[in-house]
Amino acid sequence: SAVISQKPSRDICQRGTSLTIQCQVDSQVTMMFWYRQQPGQSLTLIATANQGSEATYESGFVIDKFPISRPNLTFSTLTVSNMSPEDSSIYLCSVVPAPSSYNEQFFGPGTRLTVL
Amino acid sequence: DQQVKQNSPSLSVQEGRISILNCDYTNSMFDYFLWYKKYPAEGPTFLISISSIKDKNEDGRFTVFLNKSAKHLSLHIVPSQPGDSAVYFCAASEGHGNKLVFGAGTILRVKS
Repeated sequence: SAVISQKPSRDICQRGTSLTIQCQVDSQVTMMFWYRQQPGQSLTLIATANQGSEATYESGFVIDKFPISRPNLTFSTLTVSNMSPEDSSIYLCSVVPAPSSYNEQFFGPGTRLTVL
Repeated sequence: DQQVKQNSPSLSVQEGRISILNCDYTNSMFDYFLWYKKYPAEGPTFLISISSIKDKNEDGRFTVFLNKSAKHLSLHIVPSQPGDSAVYFCAASEGHGNKLVFGAGTILRVKS
């Protein structure tokens, strides 16, 4: 497995502002993903963070709203831009540690975002 | 279009008894299935997984059963313990290392 940390753990922000969430892993990983869990709902994939290239976004998510960086194999950031109350969610990063016969993804503790 | 469905929002079980959580899927391309447990204010924790080439996988108190023809899987917890009380998510993927599609989750309460 991998030890994953996220910063900040929670934040309360004003609408129209932006917040950058960091995800740090204690070892190099092949795949990193960003998910969102809106209140009372399941986890939804926002994008796959690709090392050294642009992220791959899922339907309904765009780069202008959720820019993602992944400068190396242990770190990624997700920015929530021009926030509105509808962006209030838990944002989670996940990783697939290494190429193997297993497909388990391991999740960070999440960042709880409240937009006023 | 919900590709992974957990139709029971909640389940209550007595300590020591069996907990059975169910999950259905619609995408026949899914070939890997996982169960996660989530406590409040924490990220999901991986529990157990199963490949589509198997119909059963066991790990301690946790067993996952896969019925490909019915596109159905279930998680059995025996015996259930109060510490098992959490939200359980079923997830599926196509191929190795690919994105996970999650169900809506089932809240399990184990009463002592």
